[in-house]
This record gives sequence, structure tokens and C-alpha cells, in this order.
Amino acid sequence: AQRVTQPEKLLSVFKGAPVELKCNYSYSGSPELFWYVQYSRQRLQLLLRHISRESIKGFTADLNKGETSFHLKKPFAQEEDSAMYYCALGAGGTSYGKLTFGQGTILTVHP
Amino acid sequence: DTGVSQNPRHKITKRGQNVTFRCDPISEHNRLYWYRQTLGQGPEFLTYFQNEAQLEKSRLLSDRFSAERPKGSFSTLEIQRTEQGDSAMYLCASSLTGTTEGGYTFGSGTRLTVV
Repeated sequence: AQRVTQPEKLLSVFKGAPVELKCNYSYSGSPELFWYVQYSRQRLQLLLRHISRESIKGFTADLNKGETSFHLKKPFAQEEDSAMYYCALGAGGTSYGKLTFGQGTILTVHP
Repeated sequence: DTGVSQNPRHKITKRGQNVTFRCDPISEHNRLYWYRQTLGQGPEFLTYFQNEAQLEKSRLLSDRFSAERPKGSFSTLEIQRTEQGDSAMYLCASSLTGTTEGGYTFGSGTRLTVV
């Protein structure tokens, strides 16, 4: 079974401070991991995916298979980063394409 | 094509009534997913389609729930004999077959309130 854990429901930082949103997963296969973001009054949207190894809006995330983690990081937070962030795990096999989401972390960046 | 469209945006219904939601995916996306989200929780998988075929259903999807995707285009999710526990945001998403690399494109959701 797939499981995604985001241990922090709320995370507050000041503008310019580093931020790390934690995500741990449980999956016996080869994982595909994503971060989705939901800004206020907007729909859920893809932020980044581990397979692309990209940086979006200054955010990066590295898949650590040994620790089964996929933490989201940004060295200098901005006020516009305030949003709900969800970590999601993609399944393989017959469920290919299905995503399992964590409970989400609300990030607040104070001025 | 303006993305994934869901209707209605809000629905208030009395307990015991039936409701139906519609999702129009991105036209070239052949996979369509339904998720449910309750307050303080992440989206939970309900079911998904590849073209018109329903490939998987979650245990969350009781026999009161039914989803269809005729002709592999839009999809409907019907809830019969609604209960207060059905109150949630129902999200639809679409993607291309064979990869999760592109991720999903989500709709804005339909918020159901059962009174």
C-alpha cells in the first residue's frame, strides 16, 4: 500500500528565511513523487516532480530513497509562497497514474 | 481549451437526495480521475478512467457512488441517497496515458454540502 506523510500541518517562516516542507512516503515499488500547491482561491496545481530534477519558483526537492523522503526546500522564502502544499506519490503497475496525497502543509510566509 | 472544467461549483442538497457532478477534461487527455477532499485532508482517490473504461475504483466508493465516462470525453459522478458524510470537495483531474511525468491538471472542484 502507498502512504504519504507530511508531519507538519502548519509551517510559518519570515520572508527571506529558508523553508523546508517535509514529506515521507511508504511504497514497495519504484516511486514517482510530486509536489502540488494550492494558492488561495486557486485550483490545485503541479509544482514539481522528482523525475525532472527541476527548480520551480526557487523550490527544489530531492528524492532520498534510503530515508524514503522527498522534502521541498527553498533557500529564501517569499510572501507569495504562502499556500497549501501537498506531497503526492505515483503508483505503478495497473494503478499507473493514480496519486496518493499527503494531508498537506499550510505554509505562511510573514513579511 | 481552458483546462479541466467542473460543474456545478457548489451543490447543497438534502440528505437522501441524488446528486450528479460533471467534469470536462482537457480534450487531448485520455485519463480522467475523481478525488474527494474533506476539510484538513489531502485529496483521496475515488476512481479513474482511461478513455471510456473505468480502470480502478477505491474502497471509498460505496455502491451509492457511480461514475461514467461515455465516449471517453466528459465524466459524471453520481451519488445516490446522499448522507451528511458525503459533504466534501469533489475534484476531477486529467492526464495523458502512460506517464505521470506531466502530473495531473485539476479542475476547481465541486463543493457538496448535504444538509
